[in-house]
Amino acid sequence: NAGVTQTPKFQVLKTGQSMTLQCAQDMNHEYMSWYRQDPGMGLRLIHYSVGAGITDQGEVPNGYNVSRSTTEDFPLRLLSAAPSQTSVYFCASSYPGLAGGISADTQYFGPGTRLTVL
Amino acid sequence: RKEVEQDPGPFNVPEGATVAFNCTYSNSASQSFFWYRQDCRKEPKLLMSVYSSGNEDGRFTAQLNRASQYISLLIRDSKLSDSATYLCVVNKADFGNEKLTFGTGTRLTIIP
Repeated sequence: NAGVTQTPKFQVLKTGQSMTLQCAQDMNHEYMSWYRQDPGMGLRLIHYSVGAGITDQGEVPNGYNVSRSTTEDFPLRLLSAAPSQTSVYFCASSYPGLAGGISADTQYFGPGTRLTVL
Repeated sequence: RKEVEQDPGPFNVPEGATVAFNCTYSNSASQSFFWYRQDCRKEPKLLMSVYSSGNEDGRFTAQLNRASQYISLLIRDSKLSDSATYLCVVNKADFGNEKLTFGTGTRLTIIP
């Protein structure tokens, strides 16, 4: 069981470039999420998915696209990179908590992607 | 005011000491509470859930005070391996979707 995997681990982009951050999980979890973590800001939700074919926006979705064609994969696309998108990006997968939705005690994070936009 | 607030620290504590830190939340509709641990340049991992009656896991004790809207984490007999950043997480239903709000974390360094 690899858990949640993310590629690449590090990436440097120039302003205006596009790229896709990959995320995969092998735990058959329904829910997957993308977060960004910035100093002094805590983890913030970008987009999430409650199942294949279903995605929704989180707190900071602008500049990012997602799709979920399979249970296992949840790629995050940066459409036109900006320096403000320099951050550490974490993908997470989870199974339903007691209340049926995403819960912090059923969530597993990937190792992260460190992105720098010049 | 931030939804979830933590003292960023750093807390520098000698090995073997007891350390405690709090996390305050602003939304009284918050339903469940957790502590995560994040090692330097690693992903966050669940440390423990925080139950209304409080709970203990070895050297770690978590408490919830709904009246004053804060949760606390107490670490007894601290070890060098406890050095990490501790994130407070608050979970509440938001129009049918669970919403997780993360604190910015409290950095703890255990000194030999």
